[in-house]
Parts: sequence; structure tokens; C-alpha cells
Amino acid sequence: AQTVTQSQPEMSVQEAETVTLSCTYDTSESDYYLFWYKQPPSRQMILVIRQEAYKQQNATENRFSVNFQKAAKSFSLKISDSQLGDAAMYFCAYRSLVAQKLVFGQGTRLTINP
Amino acid sequence: DTGVSQNPRHKITKRGQNVTFRCDPISEHNRLYWYRQTLGQGPEFLTYFQNEAQLEKSRLLSDRFSAERPKGSFSTLEIQRTEQGDSAMYLCASSFRDGYTEAFFGQGTRLTVV
Repeated sequence: AQTVTQSQPEMSVQEAETVTLSCTYDTSESDYYLFWYKQPPSRQMILVIRQEAYKQQNATENRFSVNFQKAAKSFSLKISDSQLGDAAMYFCAYRSLVAQKLVFGQGTRLTINP
Repeated sequence: DTGVSQNPRHKITKRGQNVTFRCDPISEHNRLYWYRQTLGQGPEFLTYFQNEAQLEKSRLLSDRFSAERPKGSFSTLEIQRTEQGDSAMYLCASSFRDGYTEAFFGQGTRLTVV
């Protein structure tokens, strides 16, 4: 079974600075999808960024980018120019091509200091 | 269509009572998922539907839990004889059938069993 591990329960960063959230996963599959979801307090989870395992190029969405290391099974999220609105729980998630469910990590609570 | 809608948002019930939650997915989505999220943890998969067919159930879904999606539209999740351990946030998500498109989440139903 696949597992996802986020080893940083909490992170904080100064507004406008850069922060990196870590995620590792375990799988025996060669093709899969990886996602970062953001869950603001009392609001629904929204997709931040996704990565297909067959793509070597790291995904980028505006201020958000990932560092995907397939051999190391690592999938970190970098947030540049942090903004107050980035404060939330961030979840790393894995999805197999065969099974349709998302497997989530434990989450990292990100605080932005003004 | 404003997204995935879940009702009620909050439910407090006494131990032993039955509760039912409703999820209205995005109308074009044929896949619907239920997850459970306890405090400080990532969501855990419970079950998913493709149209009206329930295709996968987690071992977390005990005999006291039942989910339906009549006519492939809205879904209900019922918990019979609730226990304190059932207290959690129940999340619903929907997506298209392909494996790449993101899953859109509702705001969840927070269940408290007293």
C-alpha cells in the first residue's frame, strides 16, 4: 500500500520570504500522480499543484513550484514571495493510476508572519 | 454550479443515534468520493462512486456505515449507532472519470458524537 509522509507538522515564514514544505512517499508503482492541496481554516481543500510521475520537468504554478525527485520518492513544495493568504494546512497526496483514491500525508500547518 | 456542496455543515448527535450526510457534487462529475478527516490528520479514503456504482470501499467503512448515490447525482453517507470515535470531519469530493483531473472538495460535515 502507498504511504505519504510529511515530516513537518508546522512551518512558519515571514511574509514575502520563501518556504519549502517536505513530502516523501512510498510506492512500488512507476506511474502515478502527486498533488499538493491547501486547506484554509474552515474552508474547503483546494488544489495547489500537481505532478505526473512520468514527467521529469517540475510543475510550476505562479508562486508555487515543486521539486520532484522520483528516485528518492520526494515531492517538496516551494512557495515563493509568501503572502498572508497562503496560511493554511498543506497536504501532500498520491494517486495511483489504477486506484482512484487519494492517499494523503498528515499535513503541514503553514503560518505566515507579517 | 458553485462547487461541491455538503449538508449539514455541523452535526452534533448523541451516541447511538443515526446520522445522514448529503453531498451534491459538481454536476458534470461522474466520480464522487467520501473521506474522513480527524483533527490534525490528513483525510482518509472511505469510498467512491462512478455514477451510481460504488466501486471501492475502505476497511475503515464498517458495517455501521453505508453510502449511496442514487441516479448518479447526489450522495448520502449514513452512520448507524454512532460512536464517539466517529467524531470527525466528513469530506466529499467529485471529479471527472480521468485520472488526471483534480478532485474538487466540499467544505465538509463536522460530526460530533457526545
